[in-house]
Amino acid sequence: QQQVKQSPQSLIVQKGGISIINCAYENTAFDYFPWYQQFPGKGPALLIAIRPDVSEKKEGRFTISFNKSAKQFSLHIMDSQPGDSATYFCAAFNFGNEKLTFGTGTRLTIIP
Amino acid sequence: DGGITQSPKYLFRKEGQNVTLSCEQNLNHDAMYWYRQDPGQGLRLIYYSQIVNDFQKGDIAEGYSVSREKKESFPLTVTSAQKNPTAFYLCASSKGTEANEKLFFGSGTQLSVL
Repeated sequence: QQQVKQSPQSLIVQKGGISIINCAYENTAFDYFPWYQQFPGKGPALLIAIRPDVSEKKEGRFTISFNKSAKQFSLHIMDSQPGDSATYFCAAFNFGNEKLTFGTGTRLTIIP
Repeated sequence: DGGITQSPKYLFRKEGQNVTLSCEQNLNHDAMYWYRQDPGQGLRLIYYSQIVNDFQKGDIAEGYSVSREKKESFPLTVTSAQKNPTAFYLCASSKGTEANEKLFFGSGTQLSVL
């Protein structure tokens, strides 16, 4: 049972454009939502995260938008750059059982 | 320079052979994890350990075994019972109870079958 659904599976965006990756969850016990960035041949690294008591969090060009009632959250990358080309994973954490559940990943390619 | 070290970077397994993947961390983290990554399937949890000498099965533990004899080390053995072992294996750690929401990953081991 996949508890965190992520889309799209792959995404191509022109340099300078906005990249948007979406995730949806089912379990209302989730209470921490991180995004991880993974470059080829490397392990994922925490990029940005949000708790459900806020609707948006911004760090530089990266923004998480969170909709608690719809159980959806998304990552927006503004002014996308070739160096942003990577695989992005959303995830959801349940502080009750301390379990982190990952989405299936989105392969983002930024073209010149 | 703190971090998680996985070795080897690439590993080849012959039919019927057990292979062991190494994971060492110097972050003084209590919890350690093993994930398997397959294209289009995200990260799936194999085993995790919250303290030394204790570990629990994750979602796909069949065909794998682990040990946690030292806080800094969490090796994963891929046994001959794992019929489809080709994947990218990731080790991770977190601080521990009430601080497990942030994972730190190693650079992974790519395992292939000969």
